[in-house]
Amino acid sequence: GESVGLHLPTLSVQEGDNSIINCAYSNSASDYFIWYKQESGKGPQFIIDIRSNMDKRQGQRVTVLLNKTVKHLSLQIAATQPGDSAVYFCAENSPRSQGNLIFGKGTKLSVKP
Amino acid sequence: DAGVIQSPRHEVTEMGQEVTLRCKPISGHNSLFWYRQTMMRGLELLIYFNNNVPIDDSGMPEDRFSAKMPNASFSTLKIQPSEPRDSAVYFCASSFSVASSGNTIYFGEGSWLTVV
Repeated sequence: GESVGLHLPTLSVQEGDNSIINCAYSNSASDYFIWYKQESGKGPQFIIDIRSNMDKRQGQRVTVLLNKTVKHLSLQIAATQPGDSAVYFCAENSPRSQGNLIFGKGTKLSVKP
Repeated sequence: DAGVIQSPRHEVTEMGQEVTLRCKPISGHNSLFWYRQTMMRGLELLIYFNNNVPIDDSGMPEDRFSAKMPNASFSTLKIQPSEPRDSAVYFCASSFSVASSGNTIYFGEGSWLTVV
């Protein structure tokens, strides 16, 4: 049969609004999580990270929330700007993975001016 | 500070030719990763090294792919012979250590390979 391409979830927001990007991770033993931003034609860029002993961490305009009970991670971007348009990946690391990050499929964020 | 440096940034080659992608990790980082990104499969880990030693190469697609890290500041990913299905973006990344959790992995800008 014919193969299909990877279908990325897309989030479209108005400039100035807040964005929330969600991620469900797979391994309950994972103890470190990272959000990456990938702009078109570029490599993934580190945004923010969080360890499993925390449930919230804030950066500049970004906040990461971790809910270990349901294995859920979210990235909140305040006052979204056109420059935030990109694909966002969550990644998890567990002690058994020897530092190898496991990446999610990504979410495409489109910011409307 | 210089990030992870990859070359070439773009390469177009004919099927059957050998392709060599190069990477210089961030100075002081002990771990180096090669990833491949395609629309079909997303971001996949091919192989990673710790202190120049390959730790896990289970992601390498087949024997046509090989990777080396002769020293702490240089790695190559070679495809021989190349095939059209190898067309993808190949990312090199590095981190301080894989020995413990919590080490951020930093990516290069990628090598965009097209095999015709």
